[in-house]
Amino acid sequence: EPEVTQTPSHQVTQMGQEVILRCVPISNHLYFYWYRQILGQKVEFLVSFYNNEISEKSEIFDDQFSVERPDGSNFTLKIRSTKLEDSAMYFCASSRDRAGELFFGEGSRLTVL
Amino acid sequence: GQQLNQSPQSMFIQEGEDVSMNCTSSSIFNTWLWYKQDPGEGPVLLIALYKAGELTSNGRLTAQFGITRKDSFLNISASIPSDVGIYFCAGQQGYGGSQGNLIFGKGTKLSVKP
Repeated sequence: EPEVTQTPSHQVTQMGQEVILRCVPISNHLYFYWYRQILGQKVEFLVSFYNNEISEKSEIFDDQFSVERPDGSNFTLKIRSTKLEDSAMYFCASSRDRAGELFFGEGSRLTVL
Repeated sequence: GQQLNQSPQSMFIQEGEDVSMNCTSSSIFNTWLWYKQDPGEGPVLLIALYKAGELTSNGRLTAQFGITRKDSFLNISASIPSDVGIYFCAGQQGYGGSQGNLIFGKGTKLSVKP
């Protein structure tokens, strides 16, 4: 069964460093998302991406964050200068159509020291 | 911002028991989704609901989209040990792109009775 894959599964970084999290969405999906989940809390929307541009972003997704689809398969989330409070699980998701069901990857755990 | 109120926060189950959880909101949603999350993994989609009043089953799971479009419930019948985990409701107001993002409830943690 097709699935969303994410790398790395866990990244530890120093505060102020740049981090790139990578995702390969399901191949025939057109809508891509990043969510995050701080330990023990609910899943929160960060950004949605369609047709090579951001469709919507939350207030969490500030200037330190950016997304890119550098080629036909990868979808990346970059955090320019990490803060302690960026420590969380980051989930990539994709959906096939506009009102579609979102399928999530297994997540990338980011630990900022 | 918009919030989903999910209850109960946690519950203990004994194998064979039926389980019920629900989500309510002050906002209308066009789609309700129920996900299960196991520790260290991503949410896995269980059931998607698209129409007010819709009742949908997936094996032992049954979910309903409330008539007012402001609530949904999930029932699990005859629970088994592998049902433990965290269940999240999620609402989607519009369609993919604008307002296509999901708003998640805080989750219901299912544990096995000691």
